[in-house]
Amino acid sequence: AQKITQTQPGMFVQEKEAVTLDCTYDTSDPSYGLFWYKQPSSGEMIFLIYQGSYDQQNATEGRYSLNFQKARKSANLVISASQLGDSAMYFCAMRERGTGNQFYFGTGTSLTVIP
Amino acid sequence: NAGVTQTPKFRVLKTGQSMTLLCAQDMNHEYMYWYRQDPGMGLRLIHYSVGEGTTAKGEVPDGYNVSRLKKQNFLLGLESAAPSQTSVYFCASSYSGTGGNYGYTFGSGTRLTVV
Repeated sequence: AQKITQTQPGMFVQEKEAVTLDCTYDTSDPSYGLFWYKQPSSGEMIFLIYQGSYDQQNATEGRYSLNFQKARKSANLVISASQLGDSAMYFCAMRERGTGNQFYFGTGTSLTVIP
Repeated sequence: NAGVTQTPKFRVLKTGQSMTLLCAQDMNHEYMYWYRQDPGMGLRLIHYSVGEGTTAKGEVPDGYNVSRLKKQNFLLGLESAAPSQTSVYFCASSYSGTGGNYGYTFGSGTRLTVV
């Protein structure tokens, strides 16, 4: 079974609007971390936000927030007030304890911000 | 602040040729990783290392070998390149802790084409 599932291959959002990128995960480890990375067309991987499995509150980093629903095993990324520079590929990833800090990545969502 | 440096950035190989990709990090990270990124498949782990002198297989290790003779370096070798190994290769490193925001620091990637 896939550890990380991103069901939206491509998304469009109007500039200044909010957008939610979906991510579900599968693990039996009670201790895990969830991450989102951004990959612009230049190719580098940019860390956006982190959520630990024991964190009680949803993580926020500027315009990024992570909607963590533990029972549903979902970790959706919310980008508020979209900007043209947000157009990129977005990857959800999970790290399980005891796996050499190995990350499992989803297949990514391509976000296009429309002026 | 170099972080993680990958060399080369681009390479074209003929089928059957061999080559080595070099990853160097200056953050004293224990863990290092090699991933490949293919369209529609996200990032998949090839090999990883949890310390100097140790390596382990990831999800897609066939056709690749690795070595970690020094803590700061992680080499990925292709003994006999095949067109199926055309991909973008990312190196990453992280601390050894399993709790908290021990995310990856990524290199800028190597675009490899095998003809």
